[in-house]
Amino acid sequence: GNSVTQMEGPVTLSEEAFLTINCTYTATGYPSLFWYVQYPGEGLQLLLKATKADDKGSNKGFEATYRKETTSFHLEKGSVQVSDSAVYFCALSNFGNEKLTFGTGTRLTIIP
Amino acid sequence: SAVISQKPSRDICQRGTSLTIQCQVDSQVTMMFWYRQQPGQSLTLIATANQGSEATYESGFVIDKFPISRPNLTFSTLTVSNMSPEDSSIYLCSVATQNIQYFGAGTRLSVL
Repeated sequence: GNSVTQMEGPVTLSEEAFLTINCTYTATGYPSLFWYVQYPGEGLQLLLKATKADDKGSNKGFEATYRKETTSFHLEKGSVQVSDSAVYFCALSNFGNEKLTFGTGTRLTIIP
Repeated sequence: SAVISQKPSRDICQRGTSLTIQCQVDSQVTMMFWYRQQPGQSLTLIATANQGSEATYESGFVIDKFPISRPNLTFSTLTVSNMSPEDSSIYLCSVATQNIQYFGAGTRLSVL
């Protein structure tokens, strides 16, 4: 079955530091890959997505590249801000509208 | 995109009682999903609700405990029945549209 393995947290960085949150997956076929973000007290928001190999999703300075050869979808940002403090979830789905399989989530805290 | 409203946003309930959570979408969608997020955990799919058919439950979740209604293409309810403290979680509904899942803000449930 499908599974997503995400970097253990929590992660604490200083403002303007470089961020990487690792995500690897196991799936049949060619899944779509997603990063969702959950700010304190809120629901999940889609941050970015990629639907095929070598696609790069990007949004709000965050990027992730769909690497089929390494089955990875690592999230990166060049310079984090305090407002990026949240929990980040890597997820996948098959055929688009099917159910999402989530990683365990990574709590990110940015200190000024 | 889709805008999802969930009610109530939070509740505190006594054990043995039931709570019905409502999910309203601003557009017609075929598939709606209900997830549970236990404290500090990732999201787990409870069931998939398609309009006009019985909900499909994931392993570990049963209709008697989590009955779901889907009367039309913009609305669904999830009931948490005969609650115990172990049911304390965030419950989220989501909808799939244009190959992306969008989430409501969630219902934060505490059972005493």
